[in-house]
Amino acid sequence: GENVEQHPSTLSVQEGDSAVIKCTYSDSASNYFPWYKQELGKRPQLIIDIRSNVGEKKDQRIAVTLNKTAKHFSLHITETQPEDSAVYFCAATSGGYQKVTFGTGTKLQVIP
Amino acid sequence: DGGITQSPKYLFRKEGQNVTLSCEQNLNHDAMYWYRQDPGQGLRLIYYSQIVNDFQKGDIAEGYSVSREKKESFPLTVTSAQKNPTAFYLCASKTSGGAGDTQYFGPGTRLTVL
Repeated sequence: GENVEQHPSTLSVQEGDSAVIKCTYSDSASNYFPWYKQELGKRPQLIIDIRSNVGEKKDQRIAVTLNKTAKHFSLHITETQPEDSAVYFCAATSGGYQKVTFGTGTKLQVIP
Repeated sequence: DGGITQSPKYLFRKEGQNVTLSCEQNLNHDAMYWYRQDPGQGLRLIYYSQIVNDFQKGDIAEGYSVSREKKESFPLTVTSAQKNPTAFYLCASKTSGGAGDTQYFGPGTRLTVL
């Protein structure tokens, strides 16, 4: 089955700096890669996603890149703000299957 | 994700008791999921269902059971066989049209075994 590894587990950045979170996956059939943000005690919320036919996607301060050959994808947050502090999860889904495999999460702390 | 509800928000259970967590969605989604989240950890899949009257075990199904009698409902029973059930339980749903459909989460149920 699919295995998703996520790094780092914790990340502290100064407000205004950039943050990068990286994930690798094992199943070459995976073709959809969402990123979720989870605030303490709340549900995960989708913040951006990318499909395997695209190499990069941006949405304001958030971007995701995908390298299918190396089987890794990354989340980039620029100009970080204190409200970006949360736990971020990457995930991978295989085509034809409904099972979604999550990474172990990255706790991001933005220091004002 | 406002179309997925879970109840109760907090649940306390004595050891040896079974307890059922509710998950309802009005998004007309075919696929539904149950995840367990422990403090500081990721989401681990318990069970998922792609269609009514069908469901599959996830990675940590032991000690849990589910049913899918209606499209909008996917209740999870935590049985006494689950040795360490205290956790945050999240239900999710998505369309089953393809792998690229977004998964939406409910607000979660925090279960504590006393």
